[in-house]
Amino acid sequence: QSVLTQPPSVSGAPGQRVTISCIGSKSNLGAGYDVHWYQQLPGTAPKLLIYNNDNRPSGVPDRFSGSKSGTSASLAITGLHVEDEADYYCQSYDTNLSGPMYVFGGGTKLTVL
Amino acid sequence: QLQLQESGPGLVKPSETLSLTCNVSGASISNSVYYWGWIRQPPGKGLEWIGTIYYTGSTYWNPSLKSRASINVDTSKNQFSLKLSSVTAADTAMYYCARHDYHTRVIDYWGQGALVTVSP
Repeated sequence: QSVLTQPPSVSGAPGQRVTISCIGSKSNLGAGYDVHWYQQLPGTAPKLLIYNNDNRPSGVPDRFSGSKSGTSASLAITGLHVEDEADYYCQSYDTNLSGPMYVFGGGTKLTVL
Repeated sequence: QLQLQESGPGLVKPSETLSLTCNVSGASISNSVYYWGWIRQPPGKGLEWIGTIYYTGSTYWNPSLKSRASINVDTSKNQFSLKLSSVTAADTAMYYCARHDYHTRVIDYWGQGALVTVSP
């Protein structure tokens, strides 16, 4: 059971727009901690895609965008490309009775039809 | 260009201790702006944070692994290491070392990963 909740899968045709949600709680996203997104292509390590809710690292196409509001966040991908087919993870920080910790969503598999 | 490279045995027997080292190149592990940590991914599953260390040696842990895990940093070698004791098949995973930003907690650089299999 992941601390952050993502849909297991989403799909879209090339050129379409898809969104991936990430639902947290008052001890992580709701406490004001930023959300970050990672793309994991098959057989590779995760790569930072969006940081601090809505910022793209250098080299990430502007087809990828992020947003956050309250205890939820979302990743949007517009103009889908076949090469966008990958697993996507959200990540944040959580402070609770167990102590501070990094938390991930369970991951969302994007299929480009 | 920052690079992180994991190394260690790919096969560990049940009940033994898993040991991995992450060599950092292209940046100093003593940079006060960053933490250094370990994340794992069982085959076909999602990411699980294990623990994180600051160059001073202070650490914090995933509560579910805290009793079995330790992380150490060697600033003279610019590397940090993970030990996980009493392993079982459930510890079979790809283990990634990574850099975390001190302020935003983003994980901005990842190693390529080391697959560790727990099997007799």
